[in-house]
Amino acid sequence: DTEVTQTPKHLVMGMTNKKSLKCEQHMGHRAMYWYKQKAKKPPELMFVYSYEKLSINESVPSRFSPECPNSSLLNLHLHALQPEDSALYLCASSQVVTGRSSYEQYFGPGTRLTVT
Amino acid sequence: QKEVEQNSGPLSVPEGAIASLNCTYSDRGSQSFFWYRQYSGKSPELIMFIYSNGDKEDGRFTAQLNKASQYVSLLIRDSQPSDSATYLCAATGNQFYFGTGTSLTVIP
Repeated sequence: DTEVTQTPKHLVMGMTNKKSLKCEQHMGHRAMYWYKQKAKKPPELMFVYSYEKLSINESVPSRFSPECPNSSLLNLHLHALQPEDSALYLCASSQVVTGRSSYEQYFGPGTRLTVT
Repeated sequence: QKEVEQNSGPLSVPEGAIASLNCTYSDRGSQSFFWYRQYSGKSPELIMFIYSNGDKEDGRFTAQLNKASQYVSLLIRDSQPSDSATYLCAATGNQFYFGTGTSLTVIP
């Protein structure tokens, strides 16, 4: 089973709201990722968790706050977002990651976020 | 120079033909290479991964890696209209890299 699930599928939030995106995988993977993708652009890496510890933060603004409660779950907490943060947010997982070298990553379906 | 470069296309091939997608990379520290298919409005779907020089085949798909020349390619045999999508090349090693994607259209 190579399934990564994400909720919600769609999210509309105001600039003063607080919301969370959720991601779950049951493949026994120990690396999980958050990406942001704008239309007609490739995914941009935001965060990497390795063995439930944050290993990479790509200088993401503090209004995005990741959390990895256990090896299967990954959350992205959102607060005081800007309209330019509207994008498709993708979660991915892989067996392991060593530094910035990973095995194949499997993506979830994404959350389409609109900030009004 | 972009770390991973792909011809943006669009690439059009007739149904049943071979589609050839190419990717070059500049970071010699890149070790793992992936091809993803992405339909409009959907998330990337892993098609192939390759870690060693040579060819790797899976069904209608063949990935080729040449580390000396720093290129990765994807061949799609017997192309189908359902293969019409954007194909993303990705590499990891010293950094995570995604190419900007090649748009493929298979004409019935």
